Amino acid sequence: NAGVTQTPKFRVLKTGQSMTLLCAQDMNHEYMYWYRQDPGMGLRLIHYSVGEGTTAKGEVPDGYNVSRLKKQNFLLGLESAAPSQTSVYFCASSWGRSEAFFGQGTRLTVV
Amino acid sequence: GQQVMQIPQYQHVQEGEDFTTYCNSSTTLSNIQWYKQRPGGHPVFLIQLVKSGEVKKQKRLTFQFGEAKKNSSLHITATQTTDVGTYFCAGRLSNDYKLSFGAGTTVTVRA
Repeated sequence: NAGVTQTPKFRVLKTGQSMTLLCAQDMNHEYMYWYRQDPGMGLRLIHYSVGEGTTAKGEVPDGYNVSRLKKQNFLLGLESAAPSQTSVYFCASSWGRSEAFFGQGTRLTVV
Repeated sequence: GQQVMQIPQYQHVQEGEDFTTYCNSSTTLSNIQWYKQRPGGHPVFLIQLVKSGEVKKQKRLTFQFGEAKKNSSLHITATQTTDVGTYFCAGRLSNDYKLSFGAGTTVTVRA
């Protein structure tokens, strides 16, 4: 049972480049989340989804887009990367309001 | 901004001592969860509190949910080196799907 899998684990982007982070879960969870983690800031919610085909903005959505075309996948896109988006990105999923399961994280550096 | 505030940000503890980390919200929460993140790792669920005044124990860890469901605490007794990491609280409003995290308390232990 893989749980929550994030791809890629590491990435370096140049300013202005685009990329997509993939999150896949095999637990049939309805809820999925994308967070970013920066030193001293904890985990800040970027976007989340409560079901296939639905997405909603979190606390820090600017500069990011998401899609949930399939229940098991939640994609996070950066259309034009900026150095301020250098961070560790975590995806999580949960069955309703119960415990969230996190992926291993993606370390993104924008130069 | 974040709806959940957590203090202290850092906790330096002598091995064998006790400490407490606190979580506060300006609004009533439907539930609160606690997570632990080891250095270089991802957040891992510890516990969920739902009822007003609820107290739960896990070995040396004691979790409390305030009567007004606006605050929570995690108390660790007889701290061990295995307790090193960052402890996060995360809360949900009753009419919301978002899971919002506090900034975390990073614990270091002096042997």
